Amino acid sequence: DVVMTQSPLSLPVTLGQPASISCRSSQSLVYRDGNTYLSWFHQRPGQSPRRLIYKVSKRDSGVPDRISGSGSGTDFTLRFSRVEADDVGIYYCMQGTSWPYTFGQGTRLEIK
Amino acid sequence: QVQLHESGPGLVKPSGTLSLTCIVSGDSIDNGAWWNWVRQSPGKGLEWIGEIYHSGTSHYNPSFKSRVTVSVDKSKNQFSLKLNSVTAADTAVYFCTRAFDPWGQGALVTVSS
Repeated sequence: DVVMTQSPLSLPVTLGQPASISCRSSQSLVYRDGNTYLSWFHQRPGQSPRRLIYKVSKRDSGVPDRISGSGSGTDFTLRFSRVEADDVGIYYCMQGTSWPYTFGQGTRLEIK
Repeated sequence: QVQLHESGPGLVKPSGTLSLTCIVSGDSIDNGAWWNWVRQSPGKGLEWIGEIYHSGTSHYNPSFKSRVTVSVDKSKNQFSLKLNSVTAADTAVYFCTRAFDPWGQGALVTVSS
């Protein structure tokens, strides 16, 4: 299985400040079709996950452009140009390149 | 707007079978997407269970060995999950999702006698 490792696991951030979460995979996530199936999800307490980013850097509908994804191969990053109160919760990366699909452990973003 | 809704018993006895159905509205289950099940144990992260295409082609997480079956019912626009020989470790919130966007609200299933 592809192991997804996120860091940090806890991310206290001051409102309005930038922040980033790292996600590393144990093997390349480039699929034979040339695409890289790395997604990012946000989960608030008591809610289901919501996908924010797919294929490394493509934003889902309604995701603000202050949130961005980047990376390649085995090294990926989710960035917030400035953190807002609505961003609190847990963030997961997930690889959809090879079965079984696997998630990172999650990063808890909180406001200082 | 696509919506998914999980339904099924919230309590299953040990060694029994967990059965959940995901009812899809706002989209056709044979639209070309892969339909997935994911679970989240209390206070833990996300674990992918399996996926199915409208043709019936499916893929499963080997960690469930041969306990899991995902099926699709195109006439009812829904897909289902069956997990056999459950133990307390299978207690979790089970989510259905269309290619990971969007997700259902989740169904808590507790395994207990």
